[in-house]
Amino acid sequence: GENVEQHPSTLSVQEGDSAVIKCTYSDSASNYFPWYKQELGKGPQLIIDIRSNVGEKKDQRIAVTLNKTAKHFSLHITETQPEDSAVYFCAARGGTSYGKLTFGQGTILTVHP
Amino acid sequence: GAGVSQSPSNKVTEKGKDVELRCDPISGHTALYWYRQSLGQGLEFLIYFQGNSAPDKSGLPSDRFSAERTGGSVSTLTIQRTQQEDSAVYLCASTRQGAQNSPLHFGNGTRLTVT
Repeated sequence: GENVEQHPSTLSVQEGDSAVIKCTYSDSASNYFPWYKQELGKGPQLIIDIRSNVGEKKDQRIAVTLNKTAKHFSLHITETQPEDSAVYFCAARGGTSYGKLTFGQGTILTVHP
Repeated sequence: GAGVSQSPSNKVTEKGKDVELRCDPISGHTALYWYRQSLGQGLEFLIYFQGNSAPDKSGLPSDRFSAERTGGSVSTLTIQRTQQEDSAVYLCASTRQGAQNSPLHFGNGTRLTVT
């Protein structure tokens, strides 16, 4: 089945800096890659996603890039703010696991004012 | 509109007892998922329901775990003879359809503590 690795496990940045989180996946048939943000005591919330026919997608301060050849995708947050502090999860939907998302282990992002 | 609703939000139970966790998906969502999140860990897939199709139970960790979905809406996850290692947050998610590009909408989870 699909396996997703996420790095780093923790990331600390100063307000205004950029943050980058990287994920690799194993199933070359995977075609959907969402990113979720989880705040304390809440369920994960979708912040951006990308399909395999697109190399990059941007939504204000958040962008995701996908390299299908290398089987990795990354989340980029620019001009970070303290409210960006949370746990971020990447995920992949494999071609043979219809419906099911496989998640990375998560990255704890801390943005210092 | 209303999001995915899970109850109870917290559950403390004694080892060996059975527990039931409830999920009310977003109205009209035909696909429903259960995930487990242990402390400091990622999300572990448990089970997936899509319409009237047979559920994908491939993630259930043991036969003590079962889930059902009645009338294509509400789902109940049951854990029998709970063990301390069952302590975790149990998350439910739903989506409009089980197609490959539908985003999952999560509830806030049930935090289960087995003493």
